[in-house]
Amino acid sequence: AQSVTQLGSHVSVSEGALVLLRCNYSSSVPPYLFWYVQYPNQGLQLLLKYTTGATLVKGINGFEAEFKKSETSFHLTKPSAHMSDAAEYFCAVSEWNNYQLIWGAGTKLIIKP
Amino acid sequence: SQTIHQWPATLVQPVGSPLSLECTVEGTSNPNLYWYRQAAGRGLQLLFYSVGIGQISSEVPQNLSASRPQDRQFILSSKKLLLSDSGFYLCAWTPGQATDTQYFGPGTRLTVL
Repeated sequence: AQSVTQLGSHVSVSEGALVLLRCNYSSSVPPYLFWYVQYPNQGLQLLLKYTTGATLVKGINGFEAEFKKSETSFHLTKPSAHMSDAAEYFCAVSEWNNYQLIWGAGTKLIIKP
Repeated sequence: SQTIHQWPATLVQPVGSPLSLECTVEGTSNPNLYWYRQAAGRGLQLLFYSVGIGQISSEVPQNLSASRPQDRQFILSSKKLLLSDSGFYLCAWTPGQATDTQYFGPGTRLTVL
């Protein structure tokens, strides 16, 4: 069965530093990949998604992620963290003809002033 | 444009009481609908999804149930709440398969005392 692993339940970075949130999936079939962000007491919002084509995907708020098939990874990055980036981030995968997303456990991003 | 509503926003209920949470989507037709739960410190748990009126798939055996009486209405219910039902309940919709973006509602915070 498909699974998603997000390394680190909490990640702390200084304001202005690089943000790297890791996501690995288990499928041998190239999946569809998503990153969502959740601010406290709110619903989730799509940051970016990969379906086909270019493996470097740009999303909202300056985030991007790269699909690496050989590493079964879809890590999320942002060159310079802002205080407003403090939130919880979820990675999710799906396969064609499937009605469900498989979710990672989430990573809380903490931004230090 | 499409919007998704959930109510109530917060709810405090005693153990053993019934529950009804409502989700409605505007601006689209025949969406796929989802109910998720987030327990404290845990990730997203898919509870139910529906691909059409009266069609409900349950992912986790529990004392909750779901119904879809109208195309754009999804209701989560319980006859008798347990303490373990406390959490943040999120409704989401997609225009088609799960490879499409899931759009989330603002959520309902349920506390069972």
